Amino acid sequence: AQKITQTQPGMFVQEKEAVTLDCTYDTSDQSYGLFWYKQPSSGEMIFLIYQGSYDEQNATEGRYSLNFQKARKSANLVISASQLGDSAMYFCAMREGTAFGGGTSYGKLTFGQGTILTVHP
Amino acid sequence: DGGITQSPKYLFRKEGQNVTLSCEQNLNHDAMYWYRQDPGQGLRLIYYSQIVNDFQKGDIAEGYSVSREKKESFPLTVTSAQKNPTAFYLCASNPTVNTEAFFGQGTRLTVV
Repeated sequence: AQKITQTQPGMFVQEKEAVTLDCTYDTSDQSYGLFWYKQPSSGEMIFLIYQGSYDEQNATEGRYSLNFQKARKSANLVISASQLGDSAMYFCAMREGTAFGGGTSYGKLTFGQGTILTVHP
Repeated sequence: DGGITQSPKYLFRKEGQNVTLSCEQNLNHDAMYWYRQDPGQGLRLIYYSQIVNDFQKGDIAEGYSVSREKKESFPLTVTSAQKNPTAFYLCASNPTVNTEAFFGQGTRLTVV
C-alpha cells in the first residue's frame, strides 16, 4: 500500500490565485513528520514546510501553509498568491517514528509521486 | 557555504560498467541518504547511513553499493547488476533530530 498518495498528477492555477495540492498518508505510528518539497526543472529539491504529528497548529511558511487533518490523514499544501516561479513539481513526504527525534526510521523519507503545478500568467 | 555537493552532474556509462557517484557534505550531519528518481516519479530510497562505517539497505538497494568511511562522504556505486540504471540520483543528509533533509543538486546517469 502506498504510504504517501498524491492524487493530482497535474494542477493549473492562475497567477495571484491560491492553489491546494493534496496529500494523504498512511502510517500506524503516532509520531511522524510530514514535509513538502518543491522540485523545479533543474532537479534540486527545495524544502518548503514541515508539520509534526503532535503539532496542534497548522504550519505556515510565508505563502505556504499546510492544512493538516490528522483524523483524515491528510496534509495538503496551500500556496497563496501563486507566482510564475511556483511552476514546478511538488512532493509530499513522510518520516515515521521521529516527531520528537530519535526512533528507528533513521530519518528516512517516503515520497509521494508528485504533482506538477503550472502557473499561468 | 555549507551544503551537499554531488558530482558529476551528468554521467554516461556503458552497459556492463560500474560507476561511482560522489556525495560530499560539510553540514556535519550524521545521517545521509541516496534516492533514485525516474522521470515523472517520486524519489525512492536506495541506501542510508546513520553513522560512519554503518549503512542500511533502502527499498531498491539491488544493484547498488555504498560506503561511509568518513562522515562527510557517502559515495554510491551503480554496479553492472543494476538492470535499469538510467535515472536521476539525489543525495541527502539531515541531523539526527527531526529536521528537513537537505539535498544535493543530483546526478543524471545515462547508460549508453
